[in-house]
Amino acid sequence: DAGITQSPRHKVTETGTPVTLRCHQTENHRYMYWYRQDPGHGLRLIHYSYGVKDTDKGEVSDGYSVSRSKTEDFLLTLESATSSQTSVYFCAISVAGLQETQYFGPGTRLLVL
Amino acid sequence: DQQVKQNSPSLSVQEGRISILNCDYTNSMFDYFLWYKKYPAEGPTFLISISSIKDKNEDGRFTVFLNKSAKHLSLHIVPSQPGDSAVYFCAASEKGSSNTGKLIFGQGTTLQVKP
Repeated sequence: DAGITQSPRHKVTETGTPVTLRCHQTENHRYMYWYRQDPGHGLRLIHYSYGVKDTDKGEVSDGYSVSRSKTEDFLLTLESATSSQTSVYFCAISVAGLQETQYFGPGTRLLVL
Repeated sequence: DQQVKQNSPSLSVQEGRISILNCDYTNSMFDYFLWYKKYPAEGPTFLISISSIKDKNEDGRFTVFLNKSAKHLSLHIVPSQPGDSAVYFCAASEKGSSNTGKLIFGQGTTLQVKP
């Protein structure tokens, strides 16, 4: 257990509304990641962070923004949700020096109607 | 363009036999490879990894083989157990160039181990 929680765990929203997902970790890890999982695509990196206020884009960043104002929290925002953003979202952390070995949270299931 | 491909969506094996999961990649810059395991309604968990300077890494019942010339890796599970039933993802990284931990995942293979 890497001390990662995600909230909410489930959310139903309407097209065009903003949505923010939260990832919280308790062990002060520097690196944090947001992925989405979709059938036929595996997991795809949306954004990642390598420190407070330090973030960068992943494979599928369009339509998403992130913020990291504290080490322990990494927020993912869908500015205006679309049906194509219906997915399961996973947050992950990694230990410095072993960035590829990532520990995932339990996921957030998002449905955009 | 899928840089990491798992061409078998599913695999079914008998308990006690060997499970072989396969993964192909196209990017020759990948130098670190991992396997993750995922149960329903849970996040993926790290299973085993291999650096491109090796061709084999073993951890208990799990062995990963890397064939760089073929751009192919495989995960062997021996003996397979019913608790191994899960979705397995392979992932690749350009560890040497950026070391950011950015991973490219395959689509996943669902393994079912029958008692």
